[in-house]
Order: sequence, then C-alpha cells, then structure tokens
Amino acid sequence: NAGVTQTPKFRVLKTGQSMTLLCAQDMNHEYMYWYRQDPGMGLRLIHYSVGEGTTAKGEVPDGYNVSRLKKQNFLLGLESAAPSQTSVYFCASQRGNVGNEQFFGPGTRLTVL
Amino acid sequence: KNEVEQSPQNLTAQEGEFITINCSYSVGISALHWLQQHPGGGIVSLFMLSSGKKKHGRLIATINIQEKHSSLHITASHPRDSAVYICAVNYNNDMRFGAGTRLTVKP
Repeated sequence: NAGVTQTPKFRVLKTGQSMTLLCAQDMNHEYMYWYRQDPGMGLRLIHYSVGEGTTAKGEVPDGYNVSRLKKQNFLLGLESAAPSQTSVYFCASQRGNVGNEQFFGPGTRLTVL
Repeated sequence: KNEVEQSPQNLTAQEGEFITINCSYSVGISALHWLQQHPGGGIVSLFMLSSGKKKHGRLIATINIQEKHSSLHITASHPRDSAVYICAVNYNNDMRFGAGTRLTVKP
C-alpha cells in the first residue's frame, strides 16, 4: 500500500495563478483532511471530508475550495493564489470516526510569488 | 488564544535522559493525538488517546480529561528521537493543533 500520497511535492506560483493539489489514499478511509503548516503556527485545518461527495470548512477555509468526487481522492484548489498562501500543505486520511489514527501524506511545499 | 498549548517550545536533552512534553487544551474533546514530525517534514501518528495511558516501546502518553492535560514521556532518550512533537485534539469533526515541541537529543 502506498498510504497517502500528494501531488505535486513542490510548486511555485505567481500571484493570481490557480492550481489544484491532489491527495490520494489507498486505505479505503472515509475521512480526509487538508492542513497547512506555517512556521511558528502549527498545523491548521483548511477543509475536510467525512465521505465521498461531502466537504466541510475547517479553521482557515478562505481562498481554497475542495472536492471529493471519489472516496480515494481529495482535491484542494487555489483559484487565485496569494502570497499569504505560501505554506506547506499536508493531506491526511482517517478510518471512520474521529477517534482513529490519522495518516499523513508527505506534504506539498507551495510558494506564491 | 490557541485552544491547544504545548510546553516547552524547545527542549534539549542528553542521550539517556527522561523527557516530558506537556499539552493543555481548553475545549471539550473526543480524542487527543500525539504526532511526530521528522526533520525531513514527514508526520506520523504516535498515539491516540481518549482516556488513561498508552505505552509503545520507550514512549508513554497519558491524558487527564478532568484537567484537560496530556503528557508525552520518552524514556532513555536517543538522538534518533530528535524531532518536533505535536499535540492535536479532535472536537466535533475538527482538529486543532499545538505549535509543537522541538526536541533535540545530544549524544
């Protein structure tokens, strides 16, 4: 099993450009999450999904959209990138309800110039 | 104010020392997680707790629900334990994280 994978690993954007980050998991997990990690601030939840076709906002959702068309994939979109979205993005998946272990992807380092 | 506070922010220890990292939270939770982030950036889950105590090898995690406090202990620390340790709590379907404790274990 590959676990949780993220594509791409690195990306540099110019302000105003758009892009989509892909998270894929092969563990048949129901729950999936997108986080951002900034120096000195820890991880913050952007959006999450509790199942195929469902999404919900987390702590810092502004400027991002998500989709979960297939159970194994969770996409994070930036419609018009801003320098404040420079960060490391982590995806995670979890079986069932909140009391289970989360499995993290390797991260995507995004720089917006 | 962050819902999850960790202490200390940074910790340097000599190999073999007993390590304690603390986590306090201010919200009602369904579970608490301890995570380890390696110097290369990867994050792995160490423990998930909803009550009591768990042990895995040299790592021990405890939680006191009434006091809203958890501790992560490392016995006989080793340089390979050097990493950032992160406390996180589940409430509703949300996750909130502490800022992390950077541990350096010197040989």
